[in-house]
Amino acid sequence: DTGVSQDPRHKITKRGQNVTFRCDPISEHNRLYWYRQTLGQGPEFLTYFQNEAQLEKSRLLSDRFSAERPKGSFSTLEIQRTEQGDSAMYLCASSFPGVSGANVLTFGAGSRLTVL
Amino acid sequence: AQSVTQPDIHITVSEGASLELRCNYSYGATPYLFWYVQSPGQGLQLLLKYFSGDTLVQGIKGFEAEFKRSQSSFNLRKPSVHWSDAAEYFCAVVSRGGSNYKLTFGKGTLLTVNP
Repeated sequence: DTGVSQDPRHKITKRGQNVTFRCDPISEHNRLYWYRQTLGQGPEFLTYFQNEAQLEKSRLLSDRFSAERPKGSFSTLEIQRTEQGDSAMYLCASSFPGVSGANVLTFGAGSRLTVL
Repeated sequence: AQSVTQPDIHITVSEGASLELRCNYSYGATPYLFWYVQSPGQGLQLLLKYFSGDTLVQGIKGFEAEFKRSQSSFNLRKPSVHWSDAAEYFCAVVSRGGSNYKLTFGKGTLLTVNP
C-alpha cells in the first residue's frame, strides 16, 4: 500500500491550454474523489466515483472539466481551456467500501495548478 | 444550509502550551465528524474521527476531540504542542444515511508554534 498518488505535483500552464491530472488510489479502494482547494479555503468537493461510475458532480465542475475512471482503477481530471481562476490545488482521495469505511478518505499530496 | 465553521483563521501558541481548535457544524442530524491536518506541500492526513459512542475521541500525534451535541461542536485539543504541529487543521463532516460519501470541510485554522 503506497497511498494515493497524484501526478504531476505541480503544473504551470498558460491560459487557454489544456491540463490533465492523474490519480492512482489505494488499490483496494473502490471509491475515488476529486476536491479542489484554493488559498485560504478548505477543500471543496468536485466529483465522486464508485468503481468506474461517476455518481456525482459538483456545480463547481464546469463543462471545461471532465473526470474519468476507466476500469475503476486510476482516474484523470482534465481541464480544457484553462482560466486563471482554475489555479488551485487539486486533491484526490479514495476510500474503502462499507458504511463506516466509506467515510474515511485517504488523500493524496495534491496537484498544484498555476495558470498564467 | 449545512455548514462547518472554524471560527479561528489563525492561532499562534508557544511550544509546550495547550491547544484548542474550534469547530461548529450546522446539520439536520449529527453527522460523522473528522479532523484532518495539512502540512505545507502535503495532502490531508486524518487525525481522528467520531462516528458514535464515547464523545471524547483520541487520535494520532497526541490529539483528542470532544463531541458536544448540545453545542454542535467538535473541538480539537492537545495538552502540549510541539513545533512539528505547525500546520493547517481542517474540521470536516459527512452526513449520516444515504450515500454518506461527501466530505464537507471548514475553511481551516492555521497553527503557528513559537519556540
